[in-house]
Amino acid sequence: RKEVEQDPGPFNVPEGATVAFNCTYSNSASQSFFWYRQDCRKEPKLLMSVYSSGNEDGRFTAQLNRASQYISLLIRDSKLSDSATYLCVVTRGAGANNLFFGTGTRLTVIP
Amino acid sequence: DAMVIQNPRYQVTQFGKPVTLSCSQTLNHNVMYWYQQKSSQAPKLLFHYYDKDFNNEADTPDNFQSRRPNTSFCFLDIRSPGLGDAAMYLCATRASGPSYEQYFGPGTRLTVT
Repeated sequence: RKEVEQDPGPFNVPEGATVAFNCTYSNSASQSFFWYRQDCRKEPKLLMSVYSSGNEDGRFTAQLNRASQYISLLIRDSKLSDSATYLCVVTRGAGANNLFFGTGTRLTVIP
Repeated sequence: DAMVIQNPRYQVTQFGKPVTLSCSQTLNHNVMYWYQQKSSQAPKLLFHYYDKDFNNEADTPDNFQSRRPNTSFCFLDIRSPGLGDAAMYLCATRASGPSYEQYFGPGTRLTVT
């Protein structure tokens, strides 16, 4: 089983739509969780960290369910500029500082 | 201002011809990472340095070596590139401490002919 699994998509949504991405991780000892954004042929950039209580940053909401080992990202009011690949990222385990990356979910927002 | 710089951005090398990729950082971060990313795949960690301590991933081929002469610079050496080594190579840095956020450079896209 892969350490981090994501639906690769692609997700094609119209502008203004709400879209949700899901991710599961296999190591129950993982302690930190993130969503990174990667534009085509560019480097990954941190979008947001994911906290146990859930957190929101503008149009973006991240949720964590430790019992189910499941992470989600919700994007509301999609913009054309949201088109990118979204990578689910988790730390390897307790006290570990290396990251496992999912293969990413491709989002295209259509005018 | 660029914080993690990679040179060159594009590198073409011949099969079997050694190549060196460069990464420098202005963040004064203790930890530096090298990742390999192939098309539609996740970045794969090759190795990392915590200060001068080198940490190799178990499945990183011996063909890949790294050097970190000082805090600011880190190099990736591919001794005998094969066609399967064509990929984007990403350098990242992280400060020691509780934050796990990694800062990535723009990457070097390696083509092997």
